[in-house]
Amino acid sequence: GAGVSQSPSNKVTEKGKDVELRCDPISGHTALYWYRQRLGQGLEFLIYFQGNSAPDKSGLPSDRFSAERTGESVSTLTIQRTQQEDSAVYLCASSLASVGRGGYTFGSGTRLTVV
Amino acid sequence: SQQGEEDPQALSIQEGENATMNCSYKTSINNLQWYRQNSGRGLVHLILIRSNEREKHSGRLRVTLDTSKKSSSLLITASRAADTASYFCATVPQGGSEKLVFGKGTKLTVNP
Repeated sequence: GAGVSQSPSNKVTEKGKDVELRCDPISGHTALYWYRQRLGQGLEFLIYFQGNSAPDKSGLPSDRFSAERTGESVSTLTIQRTQQEDSAVYLCASSLASVGRGGYTFGSGTRLTVV
Repeated sequence: SQQGEEDPQALSIQEGENATMNCSYKTSINNLQWYRQNSGRGLVHLILIRSNEREKHSGRLRVTLDTSKKSSSLLITASRAADTASYFCATVPQGGSEKLVFGKGTKLTVNP
């Protein structure tokens, strides 16, 4: 597609439920990133995929968070047993190869509200 | 961990004025990038400046980088109401994993 697509755009879930967020990157972009942004805050790195290399999971805040990506295509971010503190906008971005050569292209995000 | 810190946190100016936002960071970098965010959703990449560059222009945007002071500035000239947004600097730390580390942003309001 022309841009990075994220779904759903909004998600309201009950505390304790699992949620799955989807990111469809730009075709040909080998690198894919997930960030979390709480209200009025900056972006918090979660996880980074680069081609077939092992992902950099250093930003995942707890073992309730996991992400998968098959090859250079769609990625899903799963949050198990959601808590109210998980409420945030989850942003996905993709880029061509090395981030040192250009910027990221971001999706519009998924706004997650845990009630 | 927070690498970039933008200053000021909020800036309000009149249309036509120039807006200057600053960013400081802590570790050596590969490059520094500026992004704009409207309405708390997706970010738009504005400009990238490499560690061996000192100044870069793109339209009404001017970015400077001072690696000795570990700081950068973003200047928007002849601002417009449509420039109202949050602006973030982000760095790619040298020698680390290839991920951008973002600051908390500057909220710019341009009044018509």
